[in-house]
Amino acid sequence: ILNVEQSPQSLHVQEGDSTNFTCSFPSSNFYALHWYRWETAKSPEALFVMTLNGDEKKKGRISATLNTKEGYSYLYIKGSQPEDSATYLCAYNAGNNRKLIWGLGTSLAVNP
Amino acid sequence: DVKVTQSSRYLVKRTGEKVFLECVQDMDHENMFWYRQDPGLGLRLIYFSYDVKMKEKGDIPEGYSVSREKKERFSLILESASTNQTSMYLCASSPGALNTEAFFGQGTRLTVV
Repeated sequence: ILNVEQSPQSLHVQEGDSTNFTCSFPSSNFYALHWYRWETAKSPEALFVMTLNGDEKKKGRISATLNTKEGYSYLYIKGSQPEDSATYLCAYNAGNNRKLIWGLGTSLAVNP
Repeated sequence: DVKVTQSSRYLVKRTGEKVFLECVQDMDHENMFWYRQDPGLGLRLIYFSYDVKMKEKGDIPEGYSVSREKKERFSLILESASTNQTSMYLCASSPGALNTEAFFGQGTRLTVV
């Protein structure tokens, strides 16, 4: 059974703090790693889809790195703002399989 | 603006009723998915479809069926609703390539009483 694990489960930070979370996934048969942000009362929205080992992607204050050999990805948020409060989900896509295997998410709360 | 639309935001049904959850996407995507989300269990795949009239079971298909008669529409059917199917149901779609993002609907909160 393929497993995607995210840590920490939840996080409370102050506005302006930088933070990061981890997504661990099976390193064999890797195809893609997805990051999504899910705000309360909204739909999950894609942040990044990463496929190459060593890849680093950035969107504003949010960035992500990927290590497919050891099976982990980090998501970084620089200078957290209250609007960053959400659950951050990662999902793993194995080769030739259209299904995504989802982690349980990291719930981030940014206090003003 | 890409869109995945689910027919209802909130739904209350009685045990034993047949329930239809509808999902429509306007992006000409090949893949469509139905998930349920429960506290502490994350997103679990019920069924998915990669083409019209094609369907594949996900991780928890029991008690559900699906229909994809047109490319833009993917329906989830609860043949005889039970209280343990009370959940948040999310529909998603994605293009055919494996490394592309999924787009989600707003979710349907189903309560079975």
